[in-house]
Amino acid sequence: GAVVSQHPSWVICKSGTSVKIECRSLDFQATTMFWYRQFPKQSLMLMATSNEGSKATYEQGVEKDKFLINHASLTLSTLTVTSAHPEDSSFYICSAGEPSGSYEQYFGPGTRLTVT
Amino acid sequence: DAKTTQPTSMDCAEGRAANLPCNHSTISGNEYVYWYRQIHSQGPQYIIHGLKNNETNEMASLIITEDRKSSTLILPHATLRDTAVYYCIVRVQEYGNKLVFGAGTILRVKS
Repeated sequence: GAVVSQHPSWVICKSGTSVKIECRSLDFQATTMFWYRQFPKQSLMLMATSNEGSKATYEQGVEKDKFLINHASLTLSTLTVTSAHPEDSSFYICSAGEPSGSYEQYFGPGTRLTVT
Repeated sequence: DAKTTQPTSMDCAEGRAANLPCNHSTISGNEYVYWYRQIHSQGPQYIIHGLKNNETNEMASLIITEDRKSSTLILPHATLRDTAVYYCIVRVQEYGNKLVFGAGTILRVKS
């Protein structure tokens, strides 16, 4: 299957700083990628849909000014958590869909963010 | 997208078949049934999907009832490495269509 990578795999930052997470589709192009957040012992919650060359679509209740998404190329989407606070500590996961066939979604390995 | 209902947790003995049920009674005619799993602290992994026919691949089999209101994922010979949360999702198969995750089933494979 297709491969999606994320960088970094984990990051620790101080409260008030910003953190950027990268999501790359390694062997296919993805005009649409998705960002999820997962708290301990909970399911994945969709945050936003990242669209190449246009603005992201955010799910209800997700602050677009806090979670900045940029999808500048067909293989890269970035999520920037601005002015991070301890409650933003979570597991962030991205996914990208194959552009043909069954349109399966492939997920990155996730990024563990800890805000101190 | 239609909603799904899965048991909260299941146990299975190593080497035995694991049968994970999913109810999707409001599924629409153009919605597929997808199964993903998530091993602890990893991203979800695609397992299998189907529309109305039973499907099999190297990982699992998917049995969909004739009325499509429920399905069963079968792991034929469960191993300890199959311990994970299994998610059943129904979704229209088109590019850019998002996956919405429910609570899933925690499968514990025990030796």
